[in-house]
Amino acid sequence: NAGVTQTPKFQVLKTGQSMTLQCAQDMNHNSMYWYRQDPGMGLRLIYYSASEGTTDKGEVPNGYNVSRLNKREFSLRLESAAPSQTSVYFCASSDYTGTGGTDTQYFGPGTRLTVL
Amino acid sequence: GQSLEQPSEVTAVEGAIVQINCTYQTSGFYGLSWYQQHDGGAPTFLSYNALDGLEETGRFSSFLSRSDSYGYLLLQELQMKDSASYFCAATNDYKLSFGAGTTVTVRA
Repeated sequence: NAGVTQTPKFQVLKTGQSMTLQCAQDMNHNSMYWYRQDPGMGLRLIYYSASEGTTDKGEVPNGYNVSRLNKREFSLRLESAAPSQTSVYFCASSDYTGTGGTDTQYFGPGTRLTVL
Repeated sequence: GQSLEQPSEVTAVEGAIVQINCTYQTSGFYGLSWYQQHDGGAPTFLSYNALDGLEETGRFSSFLSRSDSYGYLLLQELQMKDSASYFCAATNDYKLSFGAGTTVTVRA
């Protein structure tokens, strides 16, 4: 049981390049999330997917797109990377179903992205 | 929008008790979660309070007062391995809004 996996672990891009961050979970969770974490700050929600086939914007969606490929996989795409997108990106999943109960999120190891 | 305030740093000795306070201003508040993050690692869930009162999980306890928009995480019998960052997070349905984190340093 691997939990939440992310690829790649590290990436360096030049301004204007594009890339896709991959995330997969094997816990049969309905909900998946993408966060970014900048130094000295908490995590900020970029996008989330409450269930397969749905995606919604979080706090900081500009410059990103997402795809919920199936129940297991949720990818994050940077179409034209900017230095302001240098950050650590975390994917998370949970079995939360919108009923107001505990939303325990399980996080992947993160992708450290630098945009030059 | 969501706003959560917590102290940036706390230092304590092994065996001591540390309380990390969190005040929040949110809309659509469901409950308050706490996460631990060791340097460079993934955040891990510690506790969740939906109702007022104290929740105890081993050496860690969490408290919530919805009327005061306030909560805290209590770390007891501190150990060196408890050196980490601790984040409070307000739950609004599917959305978690995190505070900036409190770095706890445990000294021998």
